[in-house]
Amino acid sequence: AQSVTQLDSQVPVFEEAPVELRCNYSSSVSVYLFWYVQYPNQGLQLLLKYLSGSTLVKGINGFEAEFNKSQTSFHLRKPSVHISDTAEYFCAVSISGSARQLTFGSGTQLTVLP
Amino acid sequence: EPEVTQTPSHQVTQMGQEVILRCVPISNHLYFYWYRQILGQKVEFLVSFYNNEISEKSEIFDDQFSVERPDGSNFTLKIRSTKLEDSAMYFCASSRLVNNQPQHFGDGTRLSIL
Repeated sequence: AQSVTQLDSQVPVFEEAPVELRCNYSSSVSVYLFWYVQYPNQGLQLLLKYLSGSTLVKGINGFEAEFNKSQTSFHLRKPSVHISDTAEYFCAVSISGSARQLTFGSGTQLTVLP
Repeated sequence: EPEVTQTPSHQVTQMGQEVILRCVPISNHLYFYWYRQILGQKVEFLVSFYNNEISEKSEIFDDQFSVERPDGSNFTLKIRSTKLEDSAMYFCASSRLVNNQPQHFGDGTRLSIL
């Protein structure tokens, strides 16, 4: 079975500062990795995904993540955050292949301060 | 951009009553999913559905739960006899048949059991 750990439940950061949201996973088989964002009263929106190939993945809204197989990590980064980035961020993993269930981390609440 | 739509946004039900949560997946998607998120906890997988049958289900998805695609557009989750612990946000998702396609989520239905 897979598991996902998001070490930080809350991350406050000032506007225009860089941010890193941490995600570690555990799996005995090959996996796909995802970051989703949830704005208040909305559903989960895909930010980016890693399936294979280049370990640096770029997503929407200026976010990127790097897959590190040796450290089983998939940390999310943004060089300069905006107030509008305030949201809950979820890391998720699925077994490689089509239409497999997602296993989510517990989420990180990013709060961008003026 | 096409969206997954869920109705109602909030459902209040007496314990022991049956409840049906409705979802309209994206039109060219053929895989459908239900997840739930109990307040303060992780998003958890319930069930996936393809070609009119369940593909995967979690241990949460017991005999009280059922899913159905009653027509060409709707995908429903039924809880036969609700319990207090069924109170949660329920998310529907869908994905295309092609390999490696991500899951797209609806905004969720908040289910409150009294």
